[in-house]
Amino acid sequence: QKEVEQNSGPLSVPEGAIASLNCTYSDRGSQSFFWYRQYSGKSPELIMFIYSNGDKEDGRFTAQLNKASQYVSLLIRDSQPSDSATYLCAVWAGGFKTIFGAGTRLFVKA
Amino acid sequence: NAGVTQTPKFQVLKTGQSMTLQCAQDMNHNSMYWYRQDPGMGLRLIYYSASEGTTDKGEVPNGYNVSRLNKREFSLRLESAAPSQTSVYFCASGGGRGSSGNTIYFGEGSWLTVV
Repeated sequence: QKEVEQNSGPLSVPEGAIASLNCTYSDRGSQSFFWYRQYSGKSPELIMFIYSNGDKEDGRFTAQLNKASQYVSLLIRDSQPSDSATYLCAVWAGGFKTIFGAGTRLFVKA
Repeated sequence: NAGVTQTPKFQVLKTGQSMTLQCAQDMNHNSMYWYRQDPGMGLRLIYYSASEGTTDKGEVPNGYNVSRLNKREFSLRLESAAPSQTSVYFCASGGGRGSSGNTIYFGEGSWLTVV
Protein backbone atom coordinates (compact mmCIF):
# COMPACT_ATOMS: atom_id res chain seq x y z
CA GLN A 1 0.00 0.00 0.00
CA LYS A 2 1.48 3.32 -1.07
CA GLU A 3 1.24 5.77 1.80
CA VAL A 4 1.57 9.44 2.48
CA GLU A 5 1.99 10.38 6.12
CA GLN A 6 1.37 13.71 7.78
CA ASN A 7 1.19 14.79 11.41
CA SER A 8 -2.48 15.53 12.04
CA GLY A 9 -1.71 18.46 14.33
CA PRO A 10 -3.00 20.89 15.20
CA LEU A 11 0.13 22.90 14.61
CA SER A 12 -0.20 26.22 16.36
CA VAL A 13 2.03 29.18 15.46
CA PRO A 14 1.84 32.89 16.33
CA GLU A 15 1.04 35.42 13.64
CA GLY A 16 4.15 36.42 11.73
CA ALA A 17 6.03 33.18 12.48
CA ILE A 18 7.12 30.49 10.04
CA ALA A 19 4.86 27.46 9.90
CA SER A 20 6.56 24.22 8.88
CA LEU A 21 4.43 21.36 7.59
CA ASN A 22 5.94 17.97 6.88
CA CYS A 23 5.06 14.93 4.80
CA THR A 24 6.71 11.57 4.18
CA TYR A 25 5.86 9.09 1.46
CA SER A 26 6.60 5.42 0.92
CA ASP A 27 6.79 5.01 -2.88
CA ARG A 28 10.33 5.74 -4.09
CA GLY A 29 8.96 6.01 -7.62
CA SER A 30 6.97 9.11 -6.75
CA GLN A 31 7.58 11.88 -9.19
CA SER A 32 5.54 14.94 -8.29
CA PHE A 33 4.39 16.35 -4.99
CA PHE A 34 1.56 18.72 -4.29
CA TRP A 35 0.39 20.85 -1.41
CA TYR A 36 -3.28 21.71 -1.04
CA ARG A 37 -4.98 24.00 1.43
CA GLN A 38 -8.44 23.10 2.69
CA TYR A 39 -10.52 25.48 4.75
CA SER A 40 -13.20 23.98 6.97
CA GLY A 41 -16.25 23.06 4.92
CA LYS A 42 -14.49 23.79 1.63
CA SER A 43 -12.73 21.80 -1.04
CA PRO A 44 -8.96 21.39 -1.33
CA GLU A 45 -7.26 24.07 -3.41
CA LEU A 46 -3.83 23.67 -4.94
CA ILE A 47 -1.09 25.83 -3.43
CA MET A 48 1.92 24.55 -5.30
CA PHE A 49 3.73 21.51 -6.62
CA ILE A 50 7.35 20.42 -6.72
CA TYR A 51 9.13 17.67 -8.61
CA SER A 52 12.86 18.41 -8.26
CA ASN A 53 14.99 18.06 -5.15
CA GLY A 54 15.51 21.34 -3.36
CA ASP A 55 13.33 24.35 -2.72
CA LYS A 56 10.59 26.01 -4.72
CA GLU A 57 9.27 29.38 -3.63
CA ASP A 58 5.96 31.02 -4.44
CA GLY A 59 5.25 34.16 -2.47
CA ARG A 60 5.13 33.30 1.23
CA PHE A 61 5.16 29.58 0.47
CA THR A 62 8.23 27.40 0.01
CA ALA A 63 8.05 23.72 -0.83
CA GLN A 64 11.07 21.57 -0.06
CA LEU A 65 11.72 18.13 -1.50
CA ASN A 66 14.25 15.49 -0.51
CA LYS A 67 13.68 12.36 -2.57
CA ALA A 68 16.51 10.42 -0.89
CA SER A 69 14.75 10.85 2.46
CA GLN A 70 11.28 10.60 0.88
CA TYR A 71 10.33 13.82 2.55
CA VAL A 72 8.51 16.93 1.38
CA SER A 73 7.70 20.00 3.41
CA LEU A 74 5.85 23.28 3.11
CA LEU A 75 7.05 26.43 4.82
CA ILE A 76 4.70 29.36 5.26
CA ARG A 77 6.51 32.59 6.08
CA ASP A 78 4.88 35.50 7.90
CA SER A 79 1.93 33.29 8.85
CA GLN A 80 -1.45 35.01 8.96
CA PRO A 81 -4.67 33.99 10.71
CA SER A 82 -6.12 33.48 7.22
CA ASP A 83 -3.59 30.66 6.74
CA SER A 84 -5.43 28.63 9.39
CA ALA A 85 -6.60 25.56 7.50
CA THR A 86 -5.80 21.92 6.90
CA TYR A 87 -2.88 21.34 4.55
CA LEU A 88 -2.89 18.20 2.44
CA CYS A 89 0.20 16.63 0.94
CA ALA A 90 -0.34 14.66 -2.25
CA VAL A 91 2.02 12.40 -4.16
CA TRP A 92 1.88 11.30 -7.78
CA ALA A 93 3.84 8.23 -8.84
CA GLY A 94 2.65 8.13 -12.42
CA GLY A 95 -0.55 7.07 -14.08
CA PHE A 96 -3.83 8.43 -12.85
CA LYS A 97 -3.66 7.83 -9.12
CA THR A 98 -2.62 10.52 -6.72
CA ILE A 99 -2.27 9.57 -3.05
CA PHE A 100 -3.29 12.13 -0.43
CA GLY A 101 -2.18 12.42 3.15
CA ALA A 102 -4.80 12.92 5.84
CA GLY A 103 -3.67 16.51 6.35
CA THR A 104 -2.18 18.71 9.04
CA ARG A 105 -4.36 21.28 10.76
CA LEU A 106 -2.64 24.65 11.11
CA PHE A 107 -3.81 27.31 13.54
CA VAL A 108 -2.27 30.77 13.35
CA LYS A 109 -2.85 32.79 16.50
CA ALA A 110 -3.42 36.53 16.11
CA ASN B 1 -14.29 29.75 -15.68
CA ALA B 2 -16.32 27.41 -13.46
CA GLY B 3 -13.68 24.64 -13.20
CA VAL B 4 -15.28 21.56 -11.66
CA THR B 5 -18.96 21.75 -10.77
CA GLN B 6 -20.81 19.11 -8.79
CA THR B 7 -24.38 18.73 -7.63
CA PRO B 8 -26.11 18.46 -5.27
CA LYS B 9 -24.18 20.23 -2.52
CA PHE B 10 -26.17 18.66 0.29
CA GLN B 11 -28.32 15.54 0.37
CA VAL B 12 -29.96 13.40 3.03
CA LEU B 13 -30.86 9.86 2.05
CA LYS B 14 -32.60 7.04 3.82
CA THR B 15 -30.88 3.69 3.98
CA GLY B 16 -31.55 1.76 0.79
CA GLN B 17 -32.34 4.78 -1.36
CA SER B 18 -30.38 5.47 -4.50
CA MET B 19 -28.99 8.71 -5.86
CA THR B 20 -26.58 10.07 -8.42
CA LEU B 21 -24.00 12.78 -7.88
CA GLN B 22 -23.35 14.81 -10.99
CA CYS B 23 -20.05 16.37 -11.98
CA ALA B 24 -18.89 18.43 -14.92
CA GLN B 25 -15.59 20.11 -15.75
CA ASP B 26 -14.80 22.78 -18.28
CA MET B 27 -11.00 22.56 -18.15
CA ASN B 28 -10.75 20.12 -21.07
CA HIS B 29 -9.08 17.54 -18.82
CA ASN B 30 -9.02 13.92 -19.87
CA SER B 31 -9.06 12.38 -16.41
CA MET B 32 -11.78 12.71 -13.79
CA TYR B 33 -12.12 11.36 -10.27
CA TRP B 34 -14.47 10.75 -7.40
CA TYR B 35 -13.08 10.93 -3.87
CA ARG B 36 -14.66 10.64 -0.48
CA GLN B 37 -13.30 12.40 2.57
CA ASP B 38 -13.92 11.20 6.10
CA PRO B 39 -12.51 12.60 9.35
CA GLY B 40 -9.03 11.23 10.00
CA MET B 41 -9.07 9.18 6.79
CA GLY B 42 -8.07 11.77 4.26
CA LEU B 43 -9.18 11.66 0.66
CA ARG B 44 -9.84 8.19 -0.68
CA LEU B 45 -10.30 7.47 -4.35
CA ILE B 46 -13.57 5.75 -5.22
CA TYR B 47 -13.38 5.58 -9.02
CA TYR B 48 -11.56 7.38 -11.73
CA SER B 49 -11.79 7.79 -15.48
CA ALA B 50 -8.55 8.20 -17.38
CA SER B 51 -10.39 9.33 -20.49
CA GLU B 52 -13.80 9.39 -22.07
CA GLY B 53 -15.15 5.87 -22.31
CA THR B 54 -13.01 4.34 -19.56
CA THR B 55 -13.52 3.91 -15.83
CA ASP B 56 -11.47 2.14 -13.18
CA LYS B 57 -11.85 1.27 -9.53
CA GLY B 58 -9.98 3.17 -6.91
CA GLU B 59 -9.32 2.36 -3.28
CA VAL B 60 -12.93 2.16 -2.04
CA PRO B 61 -15.28 1.29 -4.95
CA ASN B 62 -17.74 -1.02 -3.17
CA GLY B 63 -21.30 0.30 -3.17
CA TYR B 64 -20.69 2.78 -5.97
CA ASN B 65 -20.95 2.92 -9.74
CA VAL B 66 -19.79 5.57 -12.15
CA SER B 67 -20.48 6.73 -15.67
CA ARG B 68 -18.23 8.86 -17.83
CA LEU B 69 -20.93 10.36 -19.99
CA ASN B 70 -18.58 12.40 -22.17
CA LYS B 71 -15.32 14.26 -21.73
CA ARG B 72 -16.93 16.85 -19.47
CA GLU B 73 -19.20 14.75 -17.25
CA PHE B 74 -18.55 12.00 -14.71
CA SER B 75 -21.33 10.83 -12.41
CA LEU B 76 -21.28 8.74 -9.24
CA ARG B 77 -24.23 6.55 -8.29
CA LEU B 78 -25.10 5.01 -4.98
CA GLU B 79 -27.45 2.14 -5.77
CA SER B 80 -28.52 1.32 -2.21
CA ALA B 81 -27.22 3.87 0.25
CA ALA B 82 -25.82 2.73 3.60
CA PRO B 83 -24.94 4.79 6.69
CA SER B 84 -21.26 3.96 6.04
CA GLN B 85 -21.54 6.07 2.89
CA THR B 86 -22.18 9.21 4.91
CA SER B 87 -19.29 11.39 3.80
CA VAL B 88 -18.17 14.36 1.80
CA TYR B 89 -17.74 13.54 -1.87
CA PHE B 90 -15.41 15.45 -4.13
CA CYS B 91 -15.34 15.26 -7.87
CA ALA B 92 -12.07 16.27 -9.47
CA SER B 93 -10.40 16.50 -12.82
CA GLY B 94 -6.76 16.03 -13.64
CA GLY B 95 -4.56 17.94 -16.03
CA GLY B 96 -0.96 18.54 -16.89
CA ARG B 97 1.56 15.94 -17.80
CA GLY B 98 5.33 15.68 -17.71
CA SER B 99 7.11 17.36 -14.83
CA SER B 100 4.00 18.69 -13.14
CA GLY B 101 2.44 15.28 -13.10
CA ASN B 102 -1.28 14.87 -12.99
CA THR B 103 -2.50 17.93 -11.10
CA ILE B 104 -5.87 17.39 -9.44
CA TYR B 105 -8.48 20.16 -9.29
CA PHE B 106 -11.49 19.70 -7.04
CA GLY B 107 -15.13 20.59 -7.18
CA GLU B 108 -16.81 22.22 -4.20
CA GLY B 109 -17.97 18.96 -2.64
CA SER B 110 -21.23 17.18 -1.90
CA TRP B 111 -22.19 16.53 1.71
CA LEU B 112 -24.15 13.29 1.88
CA THR B 113 -25.86 11.93 4.98
CA VAL B 114 -27.46 8.49 5.01
CA VAL B 115 -29.88 7.88 7.87
